[in-house]
Amino acid sequence: GESVGLHLPTLSVQEGDNSIINCAYSNSASDYFIWYKQESGKGPQFIIDIRSNMDKRQGQRVTVLLNKTVKHLSLQIAATQPGDSAVYFCAEIPRAGGSARQLTFGSGTQLTVLP
Amino acid sequence: KAGVTQTPRYLIKTRGQQVTLSCSPISGHRSVSWYQQTPGQGLQFLFEYFSETQRNKGNFPGRFSGRQFSNSRSEMNVSTLELGDSALYLCASSLGTITDTQYFGPGTRLTVL
Repeated sequence: GESVGLHLPTLSVQEGDNSIINCAYSNSASDYFIWYKQESGKGPQFIIDIRSNMDKRQGQRVTVLLNKTVKHLSLQIAATQPGDSAVYFCAEIPRAGGSARQLTFGSGTQLTVLP
Repeated sequence: KAGVTQTPRYLIKTRGQQVTLSCSPISGHRSVSWYQQTPGQGLQFLFEYFSETQRNKGNFPGRFSGRQFSNSRSEMNVSTLELGDSALYLCASSLGTITDTQYFGPGTRLTVL
């Protein structure tokens, strides 16, 4: 079945360094990818998204890269801050007409920012 | 604009009981999706409602059901609770098209004893 997996369950970075969180997806029909951040005791918070017709998209301090050849997605966080400590999930939605609006989430990566 | 709200935030039930969880979407949002989050299975899609109709359903048993009202508020019900139903139940709302951002509520923490 469809699955979205992450390479590493945990990631620790020094404050001020850049963070890279990776995600592998298996459904080549996926058309839309999203990164969410979940802090303890809260629901997932939207960070950034990217369509399959794009390779890169930038937001404020964040960049998402999509490599469709190897079905790989990454989230880059520049100048990581203590407030970035959270679990990060990638999620995918298949192309319209497939599973409609069902988000399939990866298992998550715990990012810890060290002082 | 107020965010997605869920009530109650915490719930403790015993096996065999049933439970109803409520979700109020962001004003103007017509789509409400429900997800179950557990340490073992992660975030899993339960179902989505749009304009009072279930539009999509995940792979959960029939004990899990939901509905949506004309004001887009949604409820989900779990009957005959099992220990494995202990989880964080999250709802997310959006405008309703496939790429519209889903905004999540804080979740309801259900504990089944």
